[in-house]
Amino acid sequence: EMQLVESGGGLVQRGGSLRLSCAASGFTFSTYAMSWVRQAPGMGLEWVSAIFGGGTTTFYADSVKGRFTISRDNSKNTLYLQMNSLRAEDTAVYYCAKDPAGGATPFWGQGTLVTVSS
Amino acid sequence: DIQMTQSPSTLSASVGDRVTITCRASQSIGSWLAWYQQKPGKAPKLLIYKASNLESGVPSRFSGSESGTGFTLTISSLQPDDFATYFCQQYNSFPRTFGQGTKVEI
Repeated sequence: EMQLVESGGGLVQRGGSLRLSCAASGFTFSTYAMSWVRQAPGMGLEWVSAIFGGGTTTFYADSVKGRFTISRDNSKNTLYLQMNSLRAEDTAVYYCAKDPAGGATPFWGQGTLVTVSS
Repeated sequence: DIQMTQSPSTLSASVGDRVTITCRASQSIGSWLAWYQQKPGKAPKLLIYKASNLESGVPSRFSGSESGTGFTLTISSLQPDDFATYFCQQYNSFPRTFGQGTKVEI
């Protein structure tokens, strides 16, 4: 059974840093692109970043470019999101997702809440 | 970036109604579109992928269709469990983009 389990969320001060992790199981992690998607309280969905299976090709939303870094460790079946210079507007539930690149069927984790206090 | 325009933003309906939600892409995305259902406090749940493919385990009252850059999610007979918010997402290119969401309420 496919599973994505996010961790690392929490309360952080404005300007601080946080690293999210996403543990994958039930599929061949290294062959799939992965994404982070976030949802601010009461708002819609915003795609944040993606990384291809090999780990060398990455994409970012303009709103996080230069502050967030996506990475993966295929030996550990784990996806990461390093978030620096956090702002109040980064407050959201962050979802890890198997990206539908290449026709893959999307799959999402349950999310982890990040709260940036001012 | 590809803009996804979803309508309506809110939809009032009754059990048994046929419900239609639409998304229009600002440029061609082929059939690279997914539909999700989200309930409060929960992660989005995949309903439809590649515009018209029903995800395993999703009731057959849900269906997706496309016409050019327009995409439609149809619920043939609304059930009590279907009251939720629905989102479309294009995955033709990066950045991935979502529609604004449609809240289906009683």
